[in-house]
Amino acid sequence: SQQGEEDPQALSIQEGENATMNCSYKTSINNLQWYRQNSGRGLVHLILIRSNEREKHSGRLRVTLDTSKKSSSLLITASRAADTASYFCATPGGYNKLIFGAGTRLAVHP
Amino acid sequence: DVKVTQSSRYLVKRTGEKVFLECVQDMDHENMFWYRQDPGLGLRLIYFSYDVKMKEKGDIPEGYSVSREKKERFSLILESASTNQTSMYLCASLLHRGLQPQHFGDGTRLSIL
Repeated sequence: SQQGEEDPQALSIQEGENATMNCSYKTSINNLQWYRQNSGRGLVHLILIRSNEREKHSGRLRVTLDTSKKSSSLLITASRAADTASYFCATPGGYNKLIFGAGTRLAVHP
Repeated sequence: DVKVTQSSRYLVKRTGEKVFLECVQDMDHENMFWYRQDPGLGLRLIYFSYDVKMKEKGDIPEGYSVSREKKERFSLILESASTNQTSMYLCASLLHRGLQPQHFGDGTRLSIL
């Protein structure tokens, strides 16, 4: 089954820096979603990008999708300590199902 | 806002026990899901349900069953708990209309001793 794989597995940065996470997947998709998970909590939906979109913004988040390379990136600009979390990409897995990658653990240090 | 509530944040049970994990959503969503999350493996789908009394196996259904008697409630059952079922369990719901995000509960961290 297709699966998103995030890269890097872990990222450590200082407050104010930008954080970029990448996701690669294996087969054609019609959309890709990004979720955030704070430690010990459930996942929270961040953004959905459709296959006919190349870029989407939401506040300090910028998501790109390159269907020719089967990859997506999530950029968090001017990061804050509160952005410390794990970030997951998710691709459709048939009938409303999602397939999640293993995630990128982001640590933002004050 | 959609609210998905899992009955317990932490649960400790013994090997061989029958364990029930409960999930309730308040937005009349048709679809509900149970995942388990283990370090380095991401989320893996155990079971999902697209309507009352309807259920489908996910990727790792062995050792689990589910029940959906009412639309708002989706229960995960560990028939005879084993130590390899120690994990974080996450419930999610989804509206069946267009491209929608899944809404997650806060998870149940289950330890089987």
